[in-house]
Parts: sequence; structure tokens; C-alpha cells
Amino acid sequence: GAVVSQHPSRVICKSGTSVKIECRSLDFQATTMFWYRQFPKQSLMLMATSNEGSKATYEQGVEKDKFLINHASLTLSTLTVTSAHPEDSSFYICSAVRLAGGSTSSYNEQFFGPGTRLTVL
Amino acid sequence: QKEVEQNSGPLSVPEGAIASLNCTYSDRGSQSFFWYRQYSGKSPELIMSIYSNGDKEDGRFTAQLNKASQYVSLLIRDSQPSDSATYLCAVTAALGGSEKLVFGKGTKLTVNP
Repeated sequence: GAVVSQHPSRVICKSGTSVKIECRSLDFQATTMFWYRQFPKQSLMLMATSNEGSKATYEQGVEKDKFLINHASLTLSTLTVTSAHPEDSSFYICSAVRLAGGSTSSYNEQFFGPGTRLTVL
Repeated sequence: QKEVEQNSGPLSVPEGAIASLNCTYSDRGSQSFFWYRQYSGKSPELIMSIYSNGDKEDGRFTAQLNKASQYVSLLIRDSQPSDSATYLCAVTAALGGSEKLVFGKGTKLTVNP
């Protein structure tokens, strides 16, 4: 499968600070990336859709001014959690869409990064 | 509200048995269906995709889709302890994975040695 990386894998920060998480597609270009959040024992919840060169599309209830998304290149999207608070502590996972044609699938496929565990004290 | 329902389990099977995981979805316009495996503390890993009615086999895994019943399932043959994980069903209206996925809450599978 395709390789998607995230950095950092784990971060602990103080309340009120900002944290930047990077998502990279290592062996393919991704015009579309997604950011998800997963709380313990719950499923993944989509936060926003990140498109290269344009503004992200946020899901209902997700504050765009708090969760800043930048998709500046075809292989990199970043999520910045601004003024983080303890309730923002979660597992943040990105995914990247690999287009069909160079893979074994006839359709575009979505591949997930390893996730970033954020703990806000 | 588009919904994906899964039995949360836990589902427990002995090693070597067939594990059967089920998923129903509410959006009749859905076109693409995915099964992801998620180990505890890890991110999801795509194991199967299916786009048309019927069965799709890949190794020990078989996905089954019935659009009329809005039902998709995953069978794991010859279950191994390493298959113990949470299995997430995901659905999208697009053909392929270009658009956002709607996930079920997952079924936790335990394979006992």
C-alpha cells in the first residue's frame, strides 16, 4: 500500500499553546487529504477535507479558527491546533487520497497516516 | 444524517474459525465500501474495498456487498490471533476513496488461541 507519514507521533503540551501536526504522502501525490480525530473507544470523526492550493472544508461543529489546515503542496498538509486545551487531547489521524492508475486498484483509495496522539495538560 | 452501523461486539472466535463482521448503511446512494483494521493505539489500515454487489476475495478475507439490503460484510477465514483488532466499516457516496468516508463505530474481534 501507499505510505503516509505523520509527525510528531506523540506530543504533550501545556494548555494555551499551539501544536502543528504534519501529514506527508511519501510515495505519491495527494491533491486531497483528510483530517480525522478519534477519542478513546470511539470511531473516527472527520474534521476537515484539505485540498491542495485551496481552503480546507470543515465539518459541522469543527472550529476553523482553532484547527488551522494548510495544504501547501501535493505531499504535505498540516493541522495546527491553536490555543490547545485539555478537551483537545485526542488521536489525530490524517489520510491521503492516492489516485487510480499507478496502483492495483481502478479507483482512488484513501490511506491513513500512523496518527498523532496529542495530550494537553 | 448518513449512518453506518456495526455490531460493537466484542466478537470472540477460536483460532482457525471463520469470523463474520457485519455492517449496514443508511445512504442508498453509497457506491464504495471499505473495511479497515485498527489495532489498539494505531491508525486504520485498509484491508478490503468493494464497489459492486457480490463477493470479493483477497487471501483469507472476503467482502460481501448487497446494495439492495444496504449491507456489507467481511469474512475472515482461518482466523489468527493476529487478526484480533477493531474492524471499521466505511462508506462513501463517491466511486473510490476520493471523498470523505463515513465510519461505523467498529467491531472488536478477539481470536482466541
